Amino acid sequence: GQQVMQIPQYQHVQEGEDFTTYCNSSTTLSNIQWYKQRPGGHPVFLIQLVKSGEVKKQKRLTFQFGEAKKNSSLHITATQTTDVGTYFCAGSFTGNQFYFGTGTSLTVIP
Amino acid sequence: KAGVTQTPRYLIKTRGQQVTLSCSPISGHRSVSWYQQTPGQGLQFLFEYFSETQRNKGNFPGRFSGRQFSNSRSEMNVSTLELGDSALYLCASSLNQQSTDTQYFGPGTRLTVL
Repeated sequence: GQQVMQIPQYQHVQEGEDFTTYCNSSTTLSNIQWYKQRPGGHPVFLIQLVKSGEVKKQKRLTFQFGEAKKNSSLHITATQTTDVGTYFCAGSFTGNQFYFGTGTSLTVIP
Repeated sequence: KAGVTQTPRYLIKTRGQQVTLSCSPISGHRSVSWYQQTPGQGLQFLFEYFSETQRNKGNFPGRFSGRQFSNSRSEMNVSTLELGDSALYLCASSLNQQSTDTQYFGPGTRLTVL
């Protein structure tokens, strides 16, 4: 079946270190969205990638969509304690049904 | 604009009971999707409604059902509750049915089944 895999499941970093989470699918995605969920909160939309090879930046966050539209990554440069939370990718194959990755829980150690 | 609202925020039920959860989308949004979030399974898609019609359905048993009203508000119902139904139920609204539309999540309803 269609699914989106995400690794790692957990990541602990020292404040100031970089962080990357990866998503991949065995099937070509129509588009991929990224969300952040703070502890006790709900997912909040970060960004959407649609085009093959697309790269988007939001301050210290860099999002990439693979050339084959089967993988994506989120990279955070110089993490801060405010980056703590779980980061989810959500891929769409057709229509408006999204398949969420299992998420990467980021802990930032001050 | 007010965000997505969900009621109730917390619910405790016992096995065998049924439950109805409500979601009010952002004003003007016509698509509502429901997700189940558990620690072990992550976020799993339940169904999506647009213009009062179910457009997509995830891989959940028939005990899980939903509907959407003419004002885009949506409800989901779970009958014959099981312990495994304990989860955070999230709804997300988007403007239309385009996969490129941003989904805005509500705060969720935390359901505990005893």
